[in-house]
Amino acid sequence: DAGITQSPRHKVTETGTPVTLRCHQTENHRYMYWYRQDPGHGLRLIHYSYGVKDTDKGEVSDGYSVSRSKTEDFLLTLESATSSQTSVYFCAISDGGSGNTIYFGEGSWLTVV
Amino acid sequence: DQQVKQNSPSLSVQEGRISILNCDYTNSMFDYFLWYKKYPAEGPTFLISISSIKDKNEDGRFTVFLNKSAKHLSLHIVPSQPGDSAVYFCAREASGSARQLTFGSGTQLTVLP
Repeated sequence: DAGITQSPRHKVTETGTPVTLRCHQTENHRYMYWYRQDPGHGLRLIHYSYGVKDTDKGEVSDGYSVSRSKTEDFLLTLESATSSQTSVYFCAISDGGSGNTIYFGEGSWLTVV
Repeated sequence: DQQVKQNSPSLSVQEGRISILNCDYTNSMFDYFLWYKKYPAEGPTFLISISSIKDKNEDGRFTVFLNKSAKHLSLHIVPSQPGDSAVYFCAREASGSARQLTFGSGTQLTVLP
């Protein structure tokens, strides 16, 4: 198994509060991603990073920001959580080779009440 | 604009028989399709991929077929085992996309003993 750790694994927060999810990898992979999974939508890309301090938006980036100050850490921040951001969040990592395995973390369950 | 579509939300098969999971796509700019398997409360796990230049790729019990004229791909599992019961996602990796994946909505496979 790839060395990916997501934290926290479960969180309940109130509407309007900031939330940060952390993804930590021990594989030294260049690319890191944040996806969310919702019923009927599969997984959708929020943001991704192609190197330290290099990030870009994905399909559903509104309301989210990211940061990557070290190769091993990729942070996802909800500046002001809303109920529509209740979801399961998955971090993924890749070495960049097309067709190679992209590894996913075990997920972070976020509930915004 | 859903670029990857899995039209069957669920599929049930008997143990030992073949499982066929289907996926359709709406444009042809891609490098690879990938299949992921997901158990409840876990992250997706990579199963098999296929390059746009191939028609078939096989790995043990898993075979993926690509029909470019029909813009259709399928995953065959032979023989099916109860442990294969999971949600299966097809995902498209677009050319030059930093390995961003676009997922279908998934198919729940249940293998009956």
